[in-house]
Amino acid sequence: DADVTQTPRNRITKTGKRIMLECSQTKGHDRMYWYRQDPGLGLRLIYYSFDVKDINKGEISDGYSVSRQAQAKFSLSLESAIPNQTALYFCATSRQGPGETQYFGPGTRLLVL
Amino acid sequence: KQEVTQIPAALSVPEGENLVLNCSFTDSAIYNLQWFRQDPGKGLTSLLLIQSSQREQTSGRLNASLDKSSGRSTLYIAASQPGDSATYLCALLNSGAGSYQLTFGKGTKLSVIP
Repeated sequence: DADVTQTPRNRITKTGKRIMLECSQTKGHDRMYWYRQDPGLGLRLIYYSFDVKDINKGEISDGYSVSRQAQAKFSLSLESAIPNQTALYFCATSRQGPGETQYFGPGTRLLVL
Repeated sequence: KQEVTQIPAALSVPEGENLVLNCSFTDSAIYNLQWFRQDPGKGLTSLLLIQSSQREQTSGRLNASLDKSSGRSTLYIAASQPGDSATYLCALLNSGAGSYQLTFGKGTKLSVIP
């Protein structure tokens, strides 16, 4: 089984709809992240969480919200989706310490019509 | 704000050739630098991580170097194979007041021709 899973893997929705993307991890890591990837722009950080009670905005948090329901679960919500939120979304996890590296989920491809 | 540049954006080489991918960055106050691989439509896989105090790391046919003074890193791939075809991303973990963020380059898309 994959260590970092994302659901759904693909989603098509309409402008104005509320969407939730979910991420779960079995690695026991304390830190979790949400990124979006757009052609020509690379990966950009949306939100990150260093533990259940810690939520931080990343580079592009406007239009998004997150919830850290448990150490293993971190969800991303689009309250009112718009077409320029069409992108590939990745969840990642890491453990604090020397040599910290991030482990990525397989991604969710979101299309907002 | 950290800026990460990867050159070239795309590279095509014949199988068996040795190659170098480049990454440059503007802020040398980093914890570490990582090279990732991304296959089409898939997530990222970490290849090598170089700590701020280190100069290079090796894994199989891959060797990554870090020169903080010049703001550069290279990923050397020896004896390239068609299975190496993917996009390679450089990412830096910076520290700052209240932040701890990974900044990515836009990647180099590598095609190894059989």
